[in-house]
Amino acid sequence: NAGVTQTPKFQVLKTGQSMTLQCAQDMNHEYMSWYRQDPGMGLRLIHYSVGAGITDQGEVPNGYNVSRSTTEDFPLRLLSAAPSQTSVYFCASSPQPTGGAGQPQHFGDGTRLSIL
Amino acid sequence: AQSVTQPDIHITVSEGASLELRCNYSYGATPYLFWYVQSPGQGLQLLLKYFSGDTLVQGIKGFEAEFKRSQSSFNLRKPSVHWSDAAEYFCAVVGWGTDKLIFGTGTRLQVFP
Repeated sequence: NAGVTQTPKFQVLKTGQSMTLQCAQDMNHEYMSWYRQDPGMGLRLIHYSVGAGITDQGEVPNGYNVSRSTTEDFPLRLLSAAPSQTSVYFCASSPQPTGGAGQPQHFGDGTRLSIL
Repeated sequence: AQSVTQPDIHITVSEGASLELRCNYSYGATPYLFWYVQSPGQGLQLLLKYFSGDTLVQGIKGFEAEFKRSQSSFNLRKPSVHWSDAAEYFCAVVGWGTDKLIFGTGTRLQVFP
């Protein structure tokens, strides 16, 4: 059971380039989310999804797009990378939305992204 | 708006000493509360959680936390710290009716032999 798998683990981009961070989970979890982690700021929610076909914005959504075509996958897209998006990105999943059922989230190991 | 505060950015303890990491939250009702640990280069691992009932909750790796409504706190404790406990610790809160987990800024724990 792999849990939450994120790829790639590391990536360097130039300003203006686009890329997709992949996230897959094999636990049949309905709820998935993306966070970014920056020094001194904890984790901040970018986007989340309560099920296939349903996504919503979190605290810091600007510059990022998401889609959820399957239960397993929740990719995060940077359309035009900016240096301010240099961060560590974490994907997480849980059986149900955390607030509704108090389910803890399972986290991937992160993608370390640098924008030059 | 809900928020969570971890007032200690960095804590250093000697191996074998006791540990208390502070967490304060702001929310009118009883929130769902979590403590996560992050080892270097890793994702977050759940240590323990509080939903309701007994205000002292036990977690993995010998950690416990106590919910104190009067102080809006959910402090994490361990009676004897091991060198392998060196990591960053995050407190998180989510309120009833929302789907969003709000994290504190984290406390980095350093353990000296």
